[in-house]
Amino acid sequence: DAGITQSPRHKVTETGTPVTLRCHQTENHRYMYWYRQDPGHGLRLIHYSYGVKDTDKGEVSDGYSVSRSKTEDFLLTLESATSSQTSVYFCAISAGDPGANVLTFGAGSRLTVL
Amino acid sequence: DAKTTQPPSMDCAEGRAANLPCNHSTISGNEYVYWYRQIHSQGPQYIIHGLKNNETNEMASLIITEDRKSSTLILPHATLRDTAVYYCIVRDINTDKLIFGTGTRLQVFP
Repeated sequence: DAGITQSPRHKVTETGTPVTLRCHQTENHRYMYWYRQDPGHGLRLIHYSYGVKDTDKGEVSDGYSVSRSKTEDFLLTLESATSSQTSVYFCAISAGDPGANVLTFGAGSRLTVL
Repeated sequence: DAKTTQPPSMDCAEGRAANLPCNHSTISGNEYVYWYRQIHSQGPQYIIHGLKNNETNEMASLIITEDRKSSTLILPHATLRDTAVYYCIVRDINTDKLIFGTGTRLQVFP
């Protein structure tokens, strides 16, 4: 998808293990976002970043941390995965132009926590 | 919480116009309305956005009421490939975040 890739695309892990999902962009966009999607909830914002080392919490940030040491990479970490974090995770990027916050989404990472 | 209200599902015959409504009665004067769609389990795809004037692009038209409390996304000639969940979103002016609701599931039938 248009200069944004997520890895891994699929992961199965066990409760209590750490997990890191990576979002990589080649668009040099300033804003990056992590959403999760669960049945009946649509997409919910976990964390977002508006620049290198500048991050903020979204609606459902508990149990997640993020890091952005380079413009192109935004990492989402589950320090100790729980079954409630089984979900599909989407990364999105945006140039962040005022009044035109058009997001481009990645293909998603499906995480299963057993 | 999402600042928009949409019907959970709609049907449309192939070749006909699909009109998807959205209510955003608490919208602020400088907040834009965005529409995205999600086909099956793919990432959401941007369709169109607007502030107060009607907008049209190659995918759709966006009609915003004069009081800006509601809008309608129009797919002029729906095809089977337009079957998807459509999200109407108002950007949070304080945080610049896009908060998604649960959207409208549009089913286009032959």
